[in-house]
Amino acid sequence: EDKVVQSPLSLVVHEGDTVTLNCSYEVTNFRSLLWYKQEKKAPTFLFMLTSSGIEKKSGRLSSILDKKELFSILNITATQTGDSAIYLCAGRRGSQGNLIFGKGTKLSVKP
Amino acid sequence: GAVVSQHPSWVICKSGTSVKIECRSLDFQATTMFWYRQFPKQSLMLMATSNEGSKATYEQGVEKDKFLINHASLTLSTLTVTSAHPEDSSFYICSARTGNEQFFGPGTRLTVL
Repeated sequence: EDKVVQSPLSLVVHEGDTVTLNCSYEVTNFRSLLWYKQEKKAPTFLFMLTSSGIEKKSGRLSSILDKKELFSILNITATQTGDSAIYLCAGRRGSQGNLIFGKGTKLSVKP
Repeated sequence: GAVVSQHPSWVICKSGTSVKIECRSLDFQATTMFWYRQFPKQSLMLMATSNEGSKATYEQGVEKDKFLINHASLTLSTLTVTSAHPEDSSFYICSARTGNEQFFGPGTRLTVL
């Protein structure tokens, strides 16, 4: 059975801290792994990772995929209160591209 | 636990036909269900929010007569794309909420020829 497991489920940090969010996956016909940030209406896309070992960066956020160990991490450096959100990771499978979502990590950044 | 399923996983239809997509919460009761559409570059757009037994609330710009949502029970919501056109081809994802937690389905890929 396909599954994506995120850890921790919840995390509270102070502004300026660095956090690492984990995502492990077991997805048949795995194609790619996606990270989203969910604050209100809809998850906003952060990264799509297809290749192992290549870090993707966007400002203070970065992510990397390990296809051998079947996991990905999302790093956020110098966290800000605006980073408070639920971070979702999803594995894309098969030719039709169905997404298997994890349950998310709720990040709270305190001033 | 907390699994959300969608059926079908993918569907191909002719232009002008209607397609129904089902979203089910398999082991919990969902007070609210959401329907999203995935656009290129992977962003998800919220189309509508539905509560069991009441009319769905559509986001601005989403045609409610074209995208019919029925939330018949606490475990089932359906999205019907009426008179589908090629521009409706997309990936439709549903999500179900219980309490403060929200769980996503695997999506349905719709291709309209």
